[in-house]
Amino acid sequence: DTAVSQTPKYLVTQMGNDKSIKCEQNLGHDTMYWYKQDSKKFLKIMFSYNNKELIINETVPNRFSPKSPDKAHLNLHINSLELGDSAVYFCASSLKGEGLRTEAFFGQGTRLTVV
Amino acid sequence: AQSVTQLGSHVSVSEGALVLLRCNYSSSVPPYLFWYVQYPNQGLQLLLKYTTGATLVKGINGFEAEFKKSETSFHLTKPSAHMSDAAEYFCAVSARGGSNYKLTFGKGTLLTVNP
Repeated sequence: DTAVSQTPKYLVTQMGNDKSIKCEQNLGHDTMYWYKQDSKKFLKIMFSYNNKELIINETVPNRFSPKSPDKAHLNLHINSLELGDSAVYFCASSLKGEGLRTEAFFGQGTRLTVV
Repeated sequence: AQSVTQLGSHVSVSEGALVLLRCNYSSSVPPYLFWYVQYPNQGLQLLLKYTTGATLVKGINGFEAEFKKSETSFHLTKPSAHMSDAAEYFCAVSARGGSNYKLTFGKGTLLTVNP
């Protein structure tokens, strides 16, 4: 059983389109994240949700809108895609109760290519 | 604010040689430190973590790391490299993000293993 699963794994789309990435975790975690990995492999947090509530929004353009229908799912919708949005997007989850000890479990990533 | 610096974006070793990947942290509070590994086209997998207690931490696949407060370091080592260790390695520190917690990653070190 995959702990954190994302779909699709690859996404190629044209500039200006709107696309969504889905994420589901079956670990019973209460906190979920979206991270962006750029072409230089640098990983940066975008959003964090706890029990469906948005907690962290790290100065991400408002073309990016996360949605959490329940604590096991966190989807990422991107409007008006730009070339600079090309990256690998990782979903992750953790247990808030672990505090600073918390380790994040990552999905396999979605490679988004905007052409 | 918490941050980590990984010295060396690329480390190349021969099979059977010692692996040493360097990580220094900056933290205003006792740090919680992690090493993750990313194999090509894969998500991130936790290698090991330091929270409290023993400063020498053992992880999976024969890796270990030593927390040295005086040097603000958390270097990753493996006595004998294997071809399968070739991957990108990320050091991370846990920090508060609002009422949640988040991982702040270093820029990664690509490990290549030569036969």
